[in-house]
Amino acid sequence: AQKVTQAQTEISVVEKEDVTLDCVYETRDTTYYLFWYKQPPSGELVFLIRRNSFDEQNEISGRYSWNFQKSTSSFNFTITASQVVDSAVYFCALHYNNNDMRFGAGTRLTVKP
Amino acid sequence: DVKVTQSSRYLVKRTGEKVFLECVQDMDHENMFWYRQDPGLGLRLIYFSYDVKMKEKGDIPEGYSVSREKKERFSLILESASTNQTSMYLCASSLAGSLTGELFFGEGSRLTVL
Repeated sequence: AQKVTQAQTEISVVEKEDVTLDCVYETRDTTYYLFWYKQPPSGELVFLIRRNSFDEQNEISGRYSWNFQKSTSSFNFTITASQVVDSAVYFCALHYNNNDMRFGAGTRLTVKP
Repeated sequence: DVKVTQSSRYLVKRTGEKVFLECVQDMDHENMFWYRQDPGLGLRLIYFSYDVKMKEKGDIPEGYSVSREKKERFSLILESASTNQTSMYLCASSLAGSLTGELFFGEGSRLTVL
């Protein structure tokens, strides 16, 4: 079965704290893509990162970093020195076949000043 | 600036009414999608279309239909709205043949069925 699990429903941190959002996936496919999307209060999901199944290198983009581990089927997302503007719902997603994208339930992150 | 535009941000309808949700994209994308978003369930795919006049069922197509008469426009239709269809509806598009599958989303349409 193709499935994405985001076990953390809600996380609340104080500004400048680091926070990690967990994502665990299941798939039988050997070729797939993993995504993170951010949904701010305005509602529009915004693409953050894509990682293909053959590239396990971790990635850093400013305060954001992603840790992809095939051995544990996880694709975790860390925000360093969180800011109030990071408050949003974050979705992890699994893309397989040519058109199918499976989303997790989302994690609502609240960053308090 | 590329864009996916959904016609209504907020709608309130009564049970049994027919509801049209419109989505237009200006990126010349072949693929278009309709998702519904519910708390604790994430995004669930209702229907998608990979070409004009083509459609495929997603995970939860019951109670919905779609129309793709033009490449840039994908409509979601609720023939007879019910209260369990109260939800946020998200439209998205992507390039055909793109194995990477990056989706571009609209801002969503929040539908309340009374």
